[in-house]
Amino acid sequence: EPEVTQTPSHQVTQMGQEVILRCVPISNHLYFYWYRQILGQKVEFLVSFYNNEISEKSEIFDDQFSVERPDGSNFTLKIRSTKLEDSAMYFCASRVERLNSNQPQHFGDGTRLSIL
Amino acid sequence: SQQGEEDPQALSIQEGENATMNCSYKTSINNLQWYRQNSGRGLVHLILIRSNEREKHSGRLRVTLDTSKKSSSLLITASRAADTASYFCATDAKAAGNKLTFGGGTRVLVKP
Repeated sequence: EPEVTQTPSHQVTQMGQEVILRCVPISNHLYFYWYRQILGQKVEFLVSFYNNEISEKSEIFDDQFSVERPDGSNFTLKIRSTKLEDSAMYFCASRVERLNSNQPQHFGDGTRLSIL
Repeated sequence: SQQGEEDPQALSIQEGENATMNCSYKTSINNLQWYRQNSGRGLVHLILIRSNEREKHSGRLRVTLDTSKKSSSLLITASRAADTASYFCATDAKAAGNKLTFGGGTRVLVKP
């Protein structure tokens, strides 16, 4: 069965450094998402992406965050200058078809980001 | 409570017993989804129930949805040790991008 894949599985970065998290969504999917889960807390929505632009973003997704689909397969999340509070598990998800079509989101296994 | 709150927070049962967990939400939804997360792993989609559906089955899973009460339940029948995981409900509200809003989850421990 097709999967969403994320790399790396674990990223350790010094505070203030830039980090790029990578995702390969399922190939025929059109909607892409990033979520994060701080240890022991809820999964939180960061951003949704469709047709090469952001559809919606949360308050967490400030100017330090950006997303890109640089080619036909990858979907990346960049954090420009990391902070300690950015330490979390970051999940990529993708979904097929059109808006409001009642299709589930498929999640990758996540990247654990540790900021030192 | 916040959108997508699960109850109970933790559940410990013996193998073979049924596990029931509940989820409440606040806004109008397109659908409600249940996910499982094994420790340190990703979210695995279990079942999606649309706002116009009241009950749905998938294998040993049974989900109900009561939109008048803004609540859903997930029942796992004849539980197995492999069902040990955290279970989350997530609502797909009527908003742009179909973002999911997750609850805090129910940690289920199935003892062999």
